[in-house]
Amino acid sequence: NAGVTQTPKFQVLKTGQSMTLQCAQDMNHNSMYWYRQDPGMGLRLIYYSASEGTTDKGEVPNGYNVSRLNKREFSLRLESAAPSQTSVYFCASSMGQGALGEAFFGQGTRLTVV
Amino acid sequence: SQQGEEDPQALSIQEGENATMNCSYKTSINNLQWYRQNSGRGLVHLILIRSNEREKHSGRLRVTLDTSKKSSSLLITASRAADTASYFCATDARSQGNLIFGKGTKLSVKP
Repeated sequence: NAGVTQTPKFQVLKTGQSMTLQCAQDMNHNSMYWYRQDPGMGLRLIYYSASEGTTDKGEVPNGYNVSRLNKREFSLRLESAAPSQTSVYFCASSMGQGALGEAFFGQGTRLTVV
Repeated sequence: SQQGEEDPQALSIQEGENATMNCSYKTSINNLQWYRQNSGRGLVHLILIRSNEREKHSGRLRVTLDTSKKSSSLLITASRAADTASYFCATDARSQGNLIFGKGTKLSVKP
């Protein structure tokens, strides 16, 4: 099993450019998440999707949009990248609605906005 | 603000010693989980403890949960250099449907 696959692994954007981070899981999980990780800040939740067809804002949603395309895929879009969005982005998925189970993580996308 | 907060932020010990990390959270939870992250990699799940459990063991890991104090601790016994990593707690708050992570504890185990 591939688990959670995230693309791309690295990306450099110019301020104002847009891009979409792709995430897919093959574990039939209901819940999917996007986090960003900055030095000293731990992981902060950007958006999450508790089931196919639903998305909700997390702790730091400003500047991002998401799409839960189907049960497998959950994409994160930066419409107009800013230097403050330079970070490492992680996608994750877990089973469960209500009480959540173990989360599985992708390997991360290292994004630099110049 | 983040639901879980780990303490200490950094911990340095010698191989063979025990390492204890603490996590505090703010609201009622369904469960609490601990994760490990090696530098530059994704997070790996270590252990999950439900809100009605008080203690759980997995190999050299021991987790306790005190819901009255809204706190948890992770104990790694007989630590090894390979345990060097960052450790995060994550809470699954009731009626939220998401996992919120703390800032983590950076553990360094010296040979």
